[in-house]
Amino acid sequence: DQQVKQNSPSLSVQEGRISILNCDYTNSMFDYFLWYKKYPAEGPTFLISISSIKDKNEDGRFTVFLNKSAKHLSLHIVPSQPGDSAVYFCAAPSDGTYKYIFGTGTRLKVLA
Amino acid sequence: GAGVSQSPSNKVTEKGKDVELRCDPISGHTALYWYRQSLGQGLEFLIYFQGNSAPDKSGLPSDRFSAERTGGSVSTLTIQRTQQEDSAVYLCASSLDRERNEQFFGPGTRLTVL
Repeated sequence: DQQVKQNSPSLSVQEGRISILNCDYTNSMFDYFLWYKKYPAEGPTFLISISSIKDKNEDGRFTVFLNKSAKHLSLHIVPSQPGDSAVYFCAAPSDGTYKYIFGTGTRLKVLA
Repeated sequence: GAGVSQSPSNKVTEKGKDVELRCDPISGHTALYWYRQSLGQGLEFLIYFQGNSAPDKSGLPSDRFSAERTGGSVSTLTIQRTQQEDSAVYLCASSLDRERNEQFFGPGTRLTVL
């Protein structure tokens, strides 16, 4: 079974600095990982993904790194902006189908 | 186009009552998911639909929970004899029927069982 862990429930970062959010998974059989962002009272929105054929995927200020040997993902936001303050979830495939397992989320607060 | 919509946005009910939550996925999305987020917890997978069939119901917490989808579109999640531990935000998501497509979430229904 896939397990996904986000061990930091919260993170505070100064505006303009880098935010690094971490995620660990257990089952490396499947190879496509997702990050979602969630504002209060809204559903999560897709942010960025990465396939295991890459070790990095970049989209503007957001970069996701994949360390397959360590079964570890990280999301980098640089420079961080106050509007980035939200809860960030990573998700990993459960069994190669459409089912994803989500982590418990990291609440990011970017301080102006 | 319209995103995923859910109704009601908030539901307060008494313990023991039945509730029905509705999800309207994005038009053309054949995959539909229900999740639950309890206070301080991550997104807990409940059930997945491909078209009208549910190949994976493994996440439903008990037999008080059921879901159906009709016409490959609207889905309802029914909780019978609600308990206080059912209080959570229930999220619905849909995705296109192709490999590795991201899920689009609705705003959720906040259920409070008194």
